[in-house]
Amino acid sequence: DTGVSQNPRHKITKRGQNVTFRCDPISEHNRLYWYRQTLGQGPEFLTYFQNEAQLEKSRLLSDRFSAERPKGSFSTLEIQRTEQGDSAMYLCASSLTRASGNTIYFGEGSWLTVV
Amino acid sequence: AQKITQTQPGMFVQEKEAVTLDCTYDTSDQSYGLFWYKQPSSGEMIFLIYQGSYDEQNATEGRYSLNFQKARKSANLVISASQLGDSAMYFCAMSSLRGDTGRRALTFGSGTRLQVQP
Repeated sequence: DTGVSQNPRHKITKRGQNVTFRCDPISEHNRLYWYRQTLGQGPEFLTYFQNEAQLEKSRLLSDRFSAERPKGSFSTLEIQRTEQGDSAMYLCASSLTRASGNTIYFGEGSWLTVV
Repeated sequence: AQKITQTQPGMFVQEKEAVTLDCTYDTSDQSYGLFWYKQPSSGEMIFLIYQGSYDEQNATEGRYSLNFQKARKSANLVISASQLGDSAMYFCAMSSLRGDTGRRALTFGSGTRLQVQP
């Protein structure tokens, strides 16, 4: 499978705990995006990387959220001191900078439930 | 700022019929792209079709076509010959194209839930 891969697919955690999600983009894609989606809503942009550089962060990305892409390949999204409002699906996507075919590909998402 | 509006929370269509899902957008950028994605209950966002703001012809991909009316800022998705497997959420999205850093991140609408009835 050469698509965008995310894990874990599902995570249930207690409020206050830290969680980390991993995203492996399509191998030749240098752009990587994180989105958050709550039930009944469209995805909301969180942040994106070009290679290892984090180029933009949404104001939705509070100081409890941190994303890294240390070697320009896979990325991690960590949420510290989780709150119930963090319950959502976290989507990762990747593309080429000058997206050949103009396509941004998404993974299957990581569902987070904070109890 | 960019904004996508999808005014149809839900749509029903009979199997084998065509259906149009509405999308209007707002942007001050001159160069941008418009996308449609399908999201089944499993959660994955599946790319369907893309239209560039400078493309003169409407995009088509199999049973999907995008009715792009630039002056009206609309980018409606037309699905021909609906199938039961088309039942899903459909999202319209857009991004700007920046000369220096390429495509910016996508802005999504709130989606339309399509149900295909046998």
